[in-house]
Amino acid sequence: AQSVTQPDIHITVSEGASLELRCNYSYGATPYLFWYVQSPGQGLQLLLKYFSGDTLVQGIKGFEAEFKRSQSSFNLRKPSVHWSDAAEYFCAVVNGGSQGNLIFGKGTKLSVKP
Amino acid sequence: KAGVTQTPRYLIKTRGQQVTLSCSPISGHRSVSWYQQTPGQGLQFLFEYFSETQRNKGNFPGRFSGRQFSNSRSEMNVSTLELGDSALYLCASSLDRDVRTEAFFGQGTRLTVV
Repeated sequence: AQSVTQPDIHITVSEGASLELRCNYSYGATPYLFWYVQSPGQGLQLLLKYFSGDTLVQGIKGFEAEFKRSQSSFNLRKPSVHWSDAAEYFCAVVNGGSQGNLIFGKGTKLSVKP
Repeated sequence: KAGVTQTPRYLIKTRGQQVTLSCSPISGHRSVSWYQQTPGQGLQFLFEYFSETQRNKGNFPGRFSGRQFSNSRSEMNVSTLELGDSALYLCASSLDRDVRTEAFFGQGTRLTVV
């Protein structure tokens, strides 16, 4: 069965510092991968997605992610974190084909120090 | 364009009662999915509806049910509430069933069972 692991439950970075959030997936074929962000009291907002092609994908709010098949990873990065990036981040993979549901990781909570 | 609307936003129920949550998708969207979010289990898929038919179902007991109306609005029902049903219930809508079409999430309904 497919699964997603986000090894870091909570990360704290200083404003202006770079950020990398880790995501590992388990899936036999080429996965459809997503990163979502959830601010307190809000729903999920899509940051970026990977289906095929270029392994480095750009998203909204200055985020990017790199798909590495050899490492079964899809890590999220941002060169310079802003205080408004404090939120919880979820990596997700599609369960099965393109019409499956999303399987989410447990999330990484990001805190930003001034 | 209005986003996904979930009502009510907050709900407090007593064990043994039943509850109905509502989700109005973005206009023109035909697919609606429901997810349960808890601190312990994270985000878990409940079910998906498309064209008034349940297309996909997660691993939840029969106490959890749903339906979709001809205008794509969806409701989910939980009968015989248990304390463990306390969660944030999120609804997501998309144009069709292909996950390459972006899913938009509502702000959720926070259900507390006492």
